[in-house]
Amino acid sequence: NAGVTQTPKFQVLKTGQSMTLQCAQDMNHEYMSWYRQDPGMGLRLIHYSVGAGITDQGEVPNGYNVSRSTTEDFPLRLLSAAPSQTSVYFCASTNQGKNTEAFFGQGTRLTVV
Amino acid sequence: AQKVTQAQTEISVVEKEDVTLDCVYETRDTTYYLFWYKQPPSGELVFLIRRNSFDEQNEISGRYSWNFQKSTSSFNFTITASQVVDSAVYFCALSEAVWTDKLIFGTGTRLQVFP
Repeated sequence: NAGVTQTPKFQVLKTGQSMTLQCAQDMNHEYMSWYRQDPGMGLRLIHYSVGAGITDQGEVPNGYNVSRSTTEDFPLRLLSAAPSQTSVYFCASTNQGKNTEAFFGQGTRLTVV
Repeated sequence: AQKVTQAQTEISVVEKEDVTLDCVYETRDTTYYLFWYKQPPSGELVFLIRRNSFDEQNEISGRYSWNFQKSTSSFNFTITASQVVDSAVYFCALSEAVWTDKLIFGTGTRLQVFP
């Protein structure tokens, strides 16, 4: 039962570097999303996807790109990392048709120095 | 706009005490879902409950219970006879009925249970 898998778990970047946070789910869920968690602010939606080939912006999309080429994968790209992107990132997936809760990955702790 | 308020930033109790975590929400939707998630020190998010806006029945699951009141836009969470393992950050969240993965989270309440 893998569920939602995020890699890496920890990452340190220098300002201006780029990287991709990986997210994969094996539950055949249509709906996937990315959140960031910052102290005192809860989790905020970055981008989401309702199916392969379809993505849209959430509450805090600036500085992030996403794509959804397959149902299973939903990578999050930071093109030019900034210290303000230091956060814990969570990927989630939902079986929309079943009206279930969101299943979250274990999180990626990213530090930008 | 949708909003979730968890006014209690941090609560400390001694083991076996009962504790209630407050959650107040705002939405213009008539159909919506409310959730509670637990985030233990290990960092993962653990789903606790989902409630739709048409179901105002209170729910009890072991030592956990939830009180949903549409009249006051509240969805409070009570832990009875708290235990050290209950120490965590608890998040209340709201979603539109259609997009149950598009969650609006509160800022969380950190619960510390001391032995």
